[in-house]
Amino acid sequence: AQSVTQLDSQVPVFEEAPVELRCNYSSSVSVYLFWYVQYPNQGLQLLLKYLSGSTLVKGINGFEAEFNKSQTSFHLRKPSVHISDTAEYFCAVSLQGAQKLVFGQGTRLTINP
Amino acid sequence: DTAVSQTPKYLVTQMGNDKSIKCEQNLGHDTMYWYKQDSKKFLKIMFSYNNKELIINETVPNRFSPKSPDKAHLNLHINSLELGDSAVYFCASSQGFRGANVLTFGAGSRLTVL
Repeated sequence: AQSVTQLDSQVPVFEEAPVELRCNYSSSVSVYLFWYVQYPNQGLQLLLKYLSGSTLVKGINGFEAEFNKSQTSFHLRKPSVHISDTAEYFCAVSLQGAQKLVFGQGTRLTINP
Repeated sequence: DTAVSQTPKYLVTQMGNDKSIKCEQNLGHDTMYWYKQDSKKFLKIMFSYNNKELIINETVPNRFSPKSPDKAHLNLHINSLELGDSAVYFCASSQGFRGANVLTFGAGSRLTVL
């Protein structure tokens, strides 16, 4: 079975600073990888996904992530964050052909002015 | 027009009561889900239906019973509520049920059991 580990439960950064949210997964077969964002008191929405092809994936709101198969990682990055990026970020993995999406524990991104 | 809508948004009830949460999606998706988010924000799948057929049933107590009257609706009924059932319950939908499909989530239903 697949599993996902988000290495940081909370990440505080200053506005306009770069940020990286770390995600590692465990699977013996090929996977699909996702980042979802949850703004306060809202449901989750897709930020970006990796299905195949280029390992650098660009998403909404200036976020990007890089799939690294050898390190089984899918870290999320943004070069310059804004106050509006304050949210909970979830990494998720699904086995190819499988029915279940498994989420990591979430990383709370807090932007300080 | 909300894509995935859940009602009620908030639910406060006593232990031992029975309650239901309703979910509707207007995206034309074939697959619908219930996820539970606990107080530590951990998200865990509970059930998944594809075209009204149950395809995922995680190790959830049988006090929880999902019902899908049609592929646009997935309701969750909970009997004999316990304190540990307090959580935010998210409904979601996707076009298909294989791994590459993107989920669209509702805004959540916060259940508090006293």
